[in-house]
Amino acid sequence: QLVLTQSPSASASLGASVKLTCTLSSGHSSYAIAWHQQQPEKGPRYLMKLNSDGSHSKGDGIPDRFSGSSSGAERYLTISSLQSEDEADYYCQTWGTGIGVFGGGTKLTVL
Amino acid sequence: QVQLQESGPGLVKPSETLSLTCAVSGYSISSGYYWGWIRQPPGKGLEWIGSIYHSGSTYYNPSLKSRVTISVDTSKNQFSLKLSSVTAADTAVYYCARSPDYWGQGTLVTVSS
Repeated sequence: QLVLTQSPSASASLGASVKLTCTLSSGHSSYAIAWHQQQPEKGPRYLMKLNSDGSHSKGDGIPDRFSGSSSGAERYLTISSLQSEDEADYYCQTWGTGIGVFGGGTKLTVL
Repeated sequence: QVQLQESGPGLVKPSETLSLTCAVSGYSISSGYYWGWIRQPPGKGLEWIGSIYHSGSTYYNPSLKSRVTISVDTSKNQFSLKLSSVTAADTAVYYCARSPDYWGQGTLVTVSS
């Protein structure tokens, strides 16, 4: 079964970097994922599509501070030079022959 | 620039059918991509409801499959969601999206008598 696992919460200081993790279920380590950001009281915003080889394509207007990487079944989102507006929920998403799956989301707090 | 806009009733009675439409501009649905519906209950995470491919093939969340229908009208460049026999548990913000890169702004649907 295709499942994405995310830690419920993360925190980091203003100006620092943070690395969020999304883990694909067994047997699905070759799948691409997408990262989405949801700021408080707003709808989701597409950040990037991230492939198993670590290559990624970002959405329109996404700052260079956001980057992605991969290792095995893990997909990472790294945010550098954290700003207050980065405080948000971050969701990963994947798909298999049309079927979509979301991770449970990580709530990022900027200290 | 691709834009998506949900429309439909904000209040639905229990046991009735929820119906929403997503109007797409800036891209022709018939040109490709999966077009889908996602929902988010108050204070909770995102739940994928289902998708339709530009060819008309549909894919549904197994937990909702018996109640969901997604269809497309290429002449109007829009796609629709129907969710039958709704209960209070179906109260959520409903989003339409082009998978995975464009989202609508979302519309709150409340199920209540």
